[in-house]
Amino acid sequence: QVQLQESGPGLVKPSETLSLTCTVSGGSVSSANYYWAWIRQPPGKGLDWIGYIFAGSTNYNPSLKSRVSISVDTYNNQFSLNLRSVTAADTAVYYCLRSHGAFWGPGILVTVSS
Amino acid sequence: QAVVTQEPSLTVSPGGTVTLTCGSSTGAVTSGHWPYWFQQKPGQGPRTLIYDTSNKHSWTPARFSGSLLGGKAALTLSGAQPEDEADYYCLLSYSGAPYVFGTGTKLTVL
Repeated sequence: QVQLQESGPGLVKPSETLSLTCTVSGGSVSSANYYWAWIRQPPGKGLDWIGYIFAGSTNYNPSLKSRVSISVDTYNNQFSLNLRSVTAADTAVYYCLRSHGAFWGPGILVTVSS
Repeated sequence: QAVVTQEPSLTVSPGGTVTLTCGSSTGAVTSGHWPYWFQQKPGQGPRTLIYDTSNKHSWTPARFSGSLLGGKAALTLSGAQPEDEADYYCLLSYSGAPYVFGTGTKLTVL
């Protein structure tokens, strides 16, 4: 069964870039059968879809599209999230997910603060 | 972007049955939206209960079932248990567009 694990800094300064990695085991990120996605949840709020990468193509939430990019590293079997020009409103638990059954990582809290 | 709506809160008695729904601002929800249902308890990450409208994982309790009902996706809980008290979110896929989460339902078992 596929397993996912998020990693990255837990604290990012305002205006900087938030960078997270999701390491996949039990499956290949190069598979063209699945979407590899990022989701976030601000404290006390609902789930928010950030975007996904599928067979090399990306699709992003329009509200984040100008600041976000998702990429795949097939060598390390990982996929990554970059969110530029962050503000306090980007403070959230960030989750990675694989489609077709929706397998989640445990999540990582990222706080944007100086 | 579409808006996906759920009941803000519902209450069910222990042993009772309740149906949570998931509607789309673009029209009827169909199997082509590949509806998902997630359960999230306080302090925990989401757990997938249902995918592709009605498919269950090995960890999904048998008392949960997914369906399409009256133009919406539905999650039915039959025989509610105290441990089912949680937030529930649906997720819909829109062809060529980002997925969209529902607004979430807070389920109380009381």
